[in-house]
Amino acid sequence: QLLLQESGPGLVKPSETLSLTCTVSGGSISTSSYYWAWIRQPPGKGLEWIASIYYSGTTYYNPSLKSRVTISVDTSKNHFSLKLTSVTAADTAVYFCTRQKVYSHNDYWGQGTLVTVSS
Amino acid sequence: QSVLAQPPSASGTPGQRVTISCSGSSSNIGSYTVNWYQQLPGTAPKLLIYSNNQRPSGVPDRFSGSKSGTSASLAISGLQSEDEAEYYCAAWDDSLNGPVFGGGTKLTVL
Repeated sequence: QLLLQESGPGLVKPSETLSLTCTVSGGSISTSSYYWAWIRQPPGKGLEWIASIYYSGTTYYNPSLKSRVTISVDTSKNHFSLKLTSVTAADTAVYFCTRQKVYSHNDYWGQGTLVTVSS
Repeated sequence: QSVLAQPPSASGTPGQRVTISCSGSSSNIGSYTVNWYQQLPGTAPKLLIYSNNQRPSGVPDRFSGSKSGTSASLAISGLQSEDEAEYYCAAWDDSLNGPVFGGGTKLTVL
């Protein structure tokens, strides 16, 4: 059974950088036909795709966030990471890491981690 | 404003059949398959339907999906109290080069 687990600070100050890591267990991150993705959900709101990465390092970003986002993968540690710079209160959300089939669905999700942007 | 349009709420009584609609465009639903997720309060979304009408292992056959053109729908038959949740539709989008989601439909079992 594939398990994904997010980790990182739950509180980030405005203008600073949000950094999260998703550790994958029960399977290899170096698998074809799947991306690894970050999706977020502001409190009481819907889901927003942030970015995706293939194990080879090919990346895809939501244009609305692209200037502030970096997604990376470390196959040796079987994890992938997210950095979001210059955060504001609007970036307060539950951040989920997921496995995403190419051009299709997200089948495995982490439990999510709440990141609050506040001074 | 979500790219895919869903009604904000739906309701039904136990045993009833309810449907939730999802409307998109040629760059998403019109070109790619539709997926549905169920989210219980305080939990991560769970894949409910993928590739328009396929159920992952463990999802009851009370849940079914369909797609026509740039719209899709989720049907839940034999409604149960545990079906009370938020439901999201999603599809890949050419403009985004990533998935887009509906705003979610909160299903209440009366």
